[in-house]
Amino acid sequence: DSGVTQTPKHLITATGQRVTLRCSPRSGDLSVYWYQQSLDQGLQFLIQYYNGEERAKGNILERFSAQQFPDLHSELNLSSLELGDSALYFCASSVTPDRANTGELFFGEGSRLTVL
Amino acid sequence: GEDVEQSLFLSVREGDSSVINCTYTDSSSTYLYWYKQEPGAGLQLLTYIFSNMDMKQDQRLTVLLNKKDKHLSLRIADTQTGDSAIYFCAETPRSQGNLIFGKGTKLSVKP
Repeated sequence: DSGVTQTPKHLITATGQRVTLRCSPRSGDLSVYWYQQSLDQGLQFLIQYYNGEERAKGNILERFSAQQFPDLHSELNLSSLELGDSALYFCASSVTPDRANTGELFFGEGSRLTVL
Repeated sequence: GEDVEQSLFLSVREGDSSVINCTYTDSSSTYLYWYKQEPGAGLQLLTYIFSNMDMKQDQRLTVLLNKKDKHLSLRIADTQTGDSAIYFCAETPRSQGNLIFGKGTKLSVKP
């Protein structure tokens, strides 16, 4: 158990809909990262937050947005969903924004999104 | 651009050594990482190597780093069926906190 909690574990929805994925980082971790894992693209970095502020942005679509709340949990919002958005979405956390020392990210078990 | 390359599949027999290779692009990466993903689970850090090292050994795992060629490898000695998983190589982009992952190498261990 990494200590990172993601909900829901599975989600099935239709094209055009909007969903919210939730992540609770490890206790004490201030940085949250979102990744998308699909068969053809592998593991793609979406966005990072540190202590409530956006820190780095990757290949995140404009239809997607995220935020980190004062209690440090984070939500990833996916809207106007398309078939190609079906993927496993991972949240990870670390203590510092730059992963000092070993640089380990702690991953949740992921939220599997299926868009029909 | 940022691109970490790995072969997608590797199949070995139980007891043999497995070698998973990776090439990365960002020479400024302070650390390079190997993560393991078991079926239905998230990624877990397996090992890492500091960029000023050539080799790191940790029990059955040996990591080799060739900075000149930007090549990283992971050797698993005496591979067991429990080692069957997807192995991801990752680098650190310049001045960023996130990791850039390869697409992962699926290791299958046959008894």
